[in-house]
Amino acid sequence: KQEVTQIPAALSVPEGENLVLNCSFTDSAIYNLQWFRQDPGKGLTSLLLIQSSQREQTSGRLNASLDKSSGRSTLYIAASQPGDSATYLCAGGMDSNYQLIWGAGTKLIIKP
Amino acid sequence: NAGVTQTPKFRVLKTGQSMTLLCAQDMNHEYMYWYRQDPGMGLRLIHYSVGEGTTAKGEVPDGYNVSRLKKQNFLLGLESAAPSQTSVYFCASSYPRYQETQYFGPGTRLLVL
Repeated sequence: KQEVTQIPAALSVPEGENLVLNCSFTDSAIYNLQWFRQDPGKGLTSLLLIQSSQREQTSGRLNASLDKSSGRSTLYIAASQPGDSATYLCAGGMDSNYQLIWGAGTKLIIKP
Repeated sequence: NAGVTQTPKFRVLKTGQSMTLLCAQDMNHEYMYWYRQDPGMGLRLIHYSVGEGTTAKGEVPDGYNVSRLKKQNFLLGLESAAPSQTSVYFCASSYPRYQETQYFGPGTRLLVL
């Protein structure tokens, strides 16, 4: 059974720092890996989607990588800003069914 | 273009009461999903639909029913609410490939007393 883990559960860093959020999964048979952002009291917004055939995707200051062999994905945020404060969730898309398997998220706080 | 909308935003129920959560999307998406989110846990899929008139069970379907009579709407019903169903419920939709990204509504916060 696929399990997705995000460590740490919370992270606080000063503004301007580069940071990495981690996501690990147990089953390498994923079709894609997605990163989402969730603001308090709001829904989820898709940030990046990496297909299994890709190694990384970039959008602005965000870069997500995928290493199926090691069961890991990372989300790199460059030059962090207070507006980046949110909970970041990763989810693995399984080829065998329609479900996304979700991590519990990392709550990120960027201190001004 | 409103995207995915959910009604209501917040509701308090007593144990045993019933209610229906409504999800609507205006992006002509084939696939729609209902999730619940509990503190410290990832989202868990309740039910999903791959097209008008179709529904299927997800990871945690017990105590819930769904209907997709129109392509743009996906309804989640609780026939007899229990305190364990206190949660935040999210609806999402996507294009007709489950590998594509999902678009989420703002959520419905449900408290069952």
